[in-house]
Amino acid sequence: DQQVKQNSPSLSVQEGRISILNCDYTNSMFDYFLWYKKYPAEGPTFLISISSIKDKNEDGRFTVFLNKSAKHLSLHIVPSQPGDSAVYFCAAGGNTNAGKSTFGDGTTLTVKP
Amino acid sequence: DAGITQSPRHKVTETGTPVTLRCHQTENHRYMYWYRQDPGHGLRLIHYSYGVKDTDKGEVSDGYSVSRSKTEDFLLTLESATSSQTSVYFCAISEGGIGNQPQHFGDGTRLSIL
Repeated sequence: DQQVKQNSPSLSVQEGRISILNCDYTNSMFDYFLWYKKYPAEGPTFLISISSIKDKNEDGRFTVFLNKSAKHLSLHIVPSQPGDSAVYFCAAGGNTNAGKSTFGDGTTLTVKP
Repeated sequence: DAGITQSPRHKVTETGTPVTLRCHQTENHRYMYWYRQDPGHGLRLIHYSYGVKDTDKGEVSDGYSVSRSKTEDFLLTLESATSSQTSVYFCAISEGGIGNQPQHFGDGTRLSIL
């Protein structure tokens, strides 16, 4: 059973508009949630994270929202830029499992100029 | 950028042959991980290490073994490669063992098994 799900394989938005990427999870024991960004032929790079005790974390154009009751988190990118076009992975982890993370399948974001 | 080097970057080999992928880090991080990524799938953990000679299985460990004899090197071995192991393999490192510390990834090894 997949514990972290990204139900939208792809998303296309216009430059300057908001991009919203969604992620659902099933394991209520996760302590942290992270977003990674991946360009073709490169490894994923860390973008932003949020603790399970918070409901929002912001870093520049990127904001992550966490709704624990719904077991749902989202990444907002405002404003979207063509350079944001990449695959975004949602990941979840705990405090007692050697830093292991469980990853979703990813959402491919395309930002059109 | 975190100092992580994966080698080789690309490899084509035949079914039944042994294959070893290397991950080298210069960050002195304790934790190292091997993932595979397949089309339509996220990153799936194969094995991980929490110190020299300390390793454990991930969710897709069958057919793979690992070794870590030095802090900086983590090797992934396919003893007898199969076509189902054709994939892109990523190594990652992490400084701590808690879930909020991000992993830093290498640029991957594209492995094709014919």
